[in-house]
This record gives sequence, C-alpha cells and structure tokens, in this order.
Amino acid sequence: GQNIDQPTEMTATEGAIVQINCTYQTSGFNGLFWYQQHAGEAPTFLSYNVLDGLEEKGRFSSFLSRSKGYSYLLLKELQMKDSASYLCAVRRQDNYGQNFVFGPGTRLSVLP
Amino acid sequence: GAVVSQHPSRVICKSGTSVKIECRSLDFQATTMFWYRQFPKQSLMLMATSNEGSKATYEQGVEKDKFLINHASLTLSTLTVTSAHPEDSSFYICSARVRLHEGSGANVLTFGAGSRLTVL
Repeated sequence: GQNIDQPTEMTATEGAIVQINCTYQTSGFNGLFWYQQHAGEAPTFLSYNVLDGLEEKGRFSSFLSRSKGYSYLLLKELQMKDSASYLCAVRRQDNYGQNFVFGPGTRLSVLP
Repeated sequence: GAVVSQHPSRVICKSGTSVKIECRSLDFQATTMFWYRQFPKQSLMLMATSNEGSKATYEQGVEKDKFLINHASLTLSTLTVTSAHPEDSSFYICSARVRLHEGSGANVLTFGAGSRLTVL
C-alpha cells in the first residue's frame, strides 16, 4: 500500500521560517511534489523533487531524501497570505501509468 | 501557462438527480486527466484517471456506475454524478499533467478551479 503523513496543523509568526515535514511509503516512487491550497480553491504547484537534495525557489525550498522516505517544505519570510494548506504529493508509476497521491495536508496559520 | 478550465464552480441539486461536471484543457491537449474529490478539511482523494478514447481507470472503492467519466476528446473530460445523494456532496477537482518547462520531461499536475456539489 501507500501512506503519506504530514502534521495536521502548524502555526508561525509573520516574518519567521517554518518547515513542514512529509514522510511517505509507496511503491513506484517517481517524484515528490508540494502544493498550496487556500480554503475553497484548487491547489497550486509550489515545488518538486525527483532526486535527493534541496530545491530552492524564492521564499520556498523543498528537500527530499528518497532513502528515508522524507521531504520537507521550507517557507521563509512568512507573510499573512501564506496561511493555507500545504499538500505533499507523491507521483507514482505503476502498470496503469502515472498518478499522484496526496497527503492529508498541513494547515498553516501565520499570525501577525 | 497551461490552464485547466472546470465548470460549474458550484451546483446545488435535489437528491436523485444527475450532475455533469466538465473539465477542459485550454491551449494544450490532455490525453489523461485525473478526477479528485475533497471533503471539508481533508486532502484530495483520487477517484479515477480519465483516458482519452478509452475507459477510465477507477480507484478502489469508487463506483464506476455512479461516477461516469467520459473523455471524448483531447481537451475535454466530464464527470457525471448519477442519482446524487447528500453523501455525494463534496468538492470535485479535475487536473491534467503539464510539462514544467518547455522541452523538459518533468510534468506536474495543474488543477481546475473545482466544483462544489451540494445535494439536498
């Protein structure tokens, strides 16, 4: 089977740094993706990792360790608009093709 | 960038009726589209993979006769919730794979805006 875990909720202060962790167990692993989703809206793509290491994109960075089944999303210089759910998703390859399986999401609240 | 258009954004229907949700890829062709369902404060659950010109692949536990998927062209996939009941009330989101960068083999999911279904 497959299993993806993330903390349910996190709180941080405006201007701070926050790290959202994601652990996964899956077959056919083909990449780890992070999405942001504001309440009532569709998810938007933030970052992805296929190989081990850190990928940096402005205020957002994502890290992957395939051997540990572990990833994190790092958000720097937090802004109020960063309050949202952050979804970790695993891209899988199986006999039917590729698909994406999402974790439960982490609701981040940024406080002034 | 690649856009996935989904409508209606909101629909309210009576129990026992059927509702169709459309998902279109704008300015690109999508041989495969994915349909997700999301209950309040929960994550996205993959319902089925829609394949152009062939049958959809449904995830375990999803009734194919209740959630009819048609992918008749390279730019349109539809999800029909048949004989809807209150427990079918949810946020339904479609998505398609798009290339992250031109010439790149890497692809990501781009989502439609979602359709909030309320069954009375």
